[in-house]
Amino acid sequence: DAKTTQPTSMDCAEGRAANLPCNHSTISGNEYVYWYRQIHSQGPQYIIHGLKNNETNEMASLIITEDRKSSTLILPHATLRDTAVYYCIVRVAWSNDYKLSFGAGTTVTVRA
Amino acid sequence: EPEVTQTPSHQVTQMGQEVILRCVPISNHLYFYWYRQILGQKVEFLVSFYNNEISEKSEIFDDQFSVERPDGSNFTLKIRSTKLEDSAMYFCASSGGQGHGELFFGEGSRLTVL
Repeated sequence: DAKTTQPTSMDCAEGRAANLPCNHSTISGNEYVYWYRQIHSQGPQYIIHGLKNNETNEMASLIITEDRKSSTLILPHATLRDTAVYYCIVRVAWSNDYKLSFGAGTTVTVRA
Repeated sequence: EPEVTQTPSHQVTQMGQEVILRCVPISNHLYFYWYRQILGQKVEFLVSFYNNEISEKSEIFDDQFSVERPDGSNFTLKIRSTKLEDSAMYFCASSGGQGHGELFFGEGSRLTVL
């Protein structure tokens, strides 16, 4: 039931921006794009979500293409603490079920 | 900041024993979930719970598993007769249902079955 495709891994230099791509070419009109991350077997942590407009919060920015078939999560100034597995998930919002289905995600390693 | 808390953080048990994992969701949340993650594998959905009943469960959640919300604050996962393959991290999550339903996860309970 994989609706998203992400690279398996990527490295990033500390202090630089990390750009994490996600492909969701079969996304439906009522599905949002959510990003979560998991730091070393801790519980997954919500980062950001969006429908079609670009979104920014204190953690990251989310850029969604106009056709909504792909998106990019941007960590503007990566730190060593951002080393984690990042999950891109598409899901209907405003439903009676907020279940998330996790894929393998992208393992991001931030290097000093 | 409100958080989901789970106990115990680590439990070691013998195969065939019953285990109860406990979770205290965020206080005004309405939707509750259990997930598990076997070492090195994906985070897998087990069950969702709303309005005092199971709303959805996965194939993993067989008759050996049960959930309940006994007192309006705790949310528990019981495994009746543990197997070696039940060894995993178990994550509880909750959602308020407001906004777009972000899930908030606890730090997990590591279950080791010997």
